[in-house]
Amino acid sequence: KAGVTQTPRYLIKTRGQQVTLSCSPISGHRSVSWYQQTPGQGLQFLFEYFSETQRNKGNFPGRFSGRQFSNSRSEMNVSTLELGDSALYLCASSLGWGAGNSPLHFGNGTRLTVT
Amino acid sequence: QQPVQSPQAVILREGEDAVINCSSSKALYSVHWYRQKHGEAPVFLMILLKGGEQKGHDKISASFNEKKQQSSLYLTASQLSYSGTYFCGTETDAGNMLTFGGGTRLMVKP
Repeated sequence: KAGVTQTPRYLIKTRGQQVTLSCSPISGHRSVSWYQQTPGQGLQFLFEYFSETQRNKGNFPGRFSGRQFSNSRSEMNVSTLELGDSALYLCASSLGWGAGNSPLHFGNGTRLTVT
Repeated sequence: QQPVQSPQAVILREGEDAVINCSSSKALYSVHWYRQKHGEAPVFLMILLKGGEQKGHDKISASFNEKKQQSSLYLTASQLSYSGTYFCGTETDAGNMLTFGGGTRLMVKP
């Protein structure tokens, strides 16, 4: 079974630009969640989608948005990039929504560098 | 609110034991444990649900004390492959997502 696939692996953008990250979950998984990982802040929850609906949202500004398609693939968009947005963005898929008894399966992440 | 993990870092010799703690200021519904090796994705270890249970596989086990709102991860007879950063993730209500602790960096030396 293929794991969670995130593309691209690396991105370099300039302040003010926007970026779109993609995540393909494990086949059969309907929940996709996004996390930002930085050395100082650790793993910060961005949002979770299940069946194309946002179920949970973290404390990030509106510049961070996402969506999920009918095939469960998800995209995350960051507009008006700031230097502080430089981070590893991890996508995780699971069978059900919410944490509960559903393990998260993480992708290898997209490393975003904002200059 | 983010759970607090302790210690922040630990160095072991092969064969030694370690305990990593995860404490929350809120009542917990579930606790997840993950391990992340450098440059890799976090990998699921185990989930403990409300009800105060203990789980384990191989030489890694965990407990969940609902009353104390904390969980502990036990690594016995550590192996080199146990090196990495361990994260606990806590869920305060059913249906919420995980809030992760700051991580515990574990290094096992030969």
